[in-house]
Amino acid sequence: LAKTTQPISMDSYEGQEVNITCSHNNIATNDYITWYQQFPSQGPRFIIQGYKTKVTNEVASLFIPADRKSSTLSLPRVSLSDTAVYYCLVVLSGYSTLTFGKGTMLLVSP
Amino acid sequence: GAVVSQHPSRVICKSGTSVKIECRSLDFQATTMFWYRQFPKKSLMLMATSNEGSKATYEQGVEKDKFLINHASLTLSTLTVTSAHPEDSSFYICSARVGLDYNEQFFGPGTRLTVL
Repeated sequence: LAKTTQPISMDSYEGQEVNITCSHNNIATNDYITWYQQFPSQGPRFIIQGYKTKVTNEVASLFIPADRKSSTLSLPRVSLSDTAVYYCLVVLSGYSTLTFGKGTMLLVSP
Repeated sequence: GAVVSQHPSRVICKSGTSVKIECRSLDFQATTMFWYRQFPKKSLMLMATSNEGSKATYEQGVEKDKFLINHASLTLSTLTVTSAHPEDSSFYICSARVGLDYNEQFFGPGTRLTVL
């Protein structure tokens, strides 16, 4: 499984756009990129997944360059409630075991 | 989306006792459920994969005789921490797979176990 590297923490203010980048240099052809969000004392929640280029849903956007060695989770106009740990995972299609890294602790301030 | 519940949400027990944690998929059938453990300020670590009607598959380093997993139905998996000790105190989270795709995996709210 490809290892991921992401910043340990990030700070932002309400209303700003937050971009969290994850590197996965040894991603394989059949791997997908998935992001989860976890609030304190809660289970993780699926945010978004993608394979290449750009994916957007009601919560976030995921940008994946052509070489797929990195990806960027973009959260538009964050609010205080977006304070959480965000995990970047690389997962082999059809293989359901998830390996969580250390994640990025995002702190949104007023 | 699919909902997964856990019971209890938190439990405090004395050292040496056993604790059972239930994981239920409320509105779907889950052929596979997963159990994770998370220590404070650490990431989730997979403990075992639980398939309905068969024995669980444990990750390396996880004692199967200490962490008993039963997946007797398509909507219920249980994790029993036997002879719990203070070092077993942790946040235990289950997840359930809806289909064959990896992204169809939904997590429960977790159970906080404190062993005195």
